[in-house]
Amino acid sequence: QKEVEQDPGPLSVPEGAIVSLNCTYSNSAFQYFMWYRQYSRKGPELLMYTYSSGNKEDGRFTAQVDKSSKYISLFIRDSQPSDSATYLCAMARNSGYSTLTFGKGTMLLVSP
Amino acid sequence: GAGVSQSPRYKVAKRGQDVALRCDPISGHVSLFWYQQALGQGPEFLTYFQNEAQLDKSGLPSDRFFAERPEGSVSTLKIQRTQQEDSAVYLCASTLGGTGNGYTFGSGTRLTVV
Repeated sequence: QKEVEQDPGPLSVPEGAIVSLNCTYSNSAFQYFMWYRQYSRKGPELLMYTYSSGNKEDGRFTAQVDKSSKYISLFIRDSQPSDSATYLCAMARNSGYSTLTFGKGTMLLVSP
Repeated sequence: GAGVSQSPRYKVAKRGQDVALRCDPISGHVSLFWYQQALGQGPEFLTYFQNEAQLDKSGLPSDRFFAERPEGSVSTLKIQRTQQEDSAVYLCASTLGGTGNGYTFGSGTRLTVV
């Protein structure tokens, strides 16, 4: 079993839909949780960064962490075709220079 | 530069060839990471530098993989005697200050071993 599990999709939604992306993890040492977006043939770019359990909102994006269930989510409101990309969850044990453990990514397709 | 630059963007190597992949991080970024991303998978950690010191190379899959950053800026990932299973995108990332500041990734080098 991998340390971080993520459904690869693809997830297809119409423009304007609310999207929910999720990851589960098994290692309780993970304390820092991130979501990266990766467009085709590009490197991942950081979307959201959260520490411990709770919610964090940034524009149309909301990240949720539930450490008791070892479950993290990313919600995208009013999805746009430009949101079509692969979304990678990533986790780290500390806030310093820590290696990241990624999920395999979920491909999201938003149709106009 | 404005971002992390990697070259070449694409590399086709015959099995058994040696390859060298270059990463030019953002100026002033102390930390540099190499990740390997196989098709349909998330990136997996290979190695980490702080300035010129290689502090963690636990993710390198075999002794055919070697990385260096001799002057604390540009880094090179070398793969000797390439095998088909080495085919992947090799991503370089740099950061000024830890995970919370976010790692800036380059666009990667797509290596295909034939």
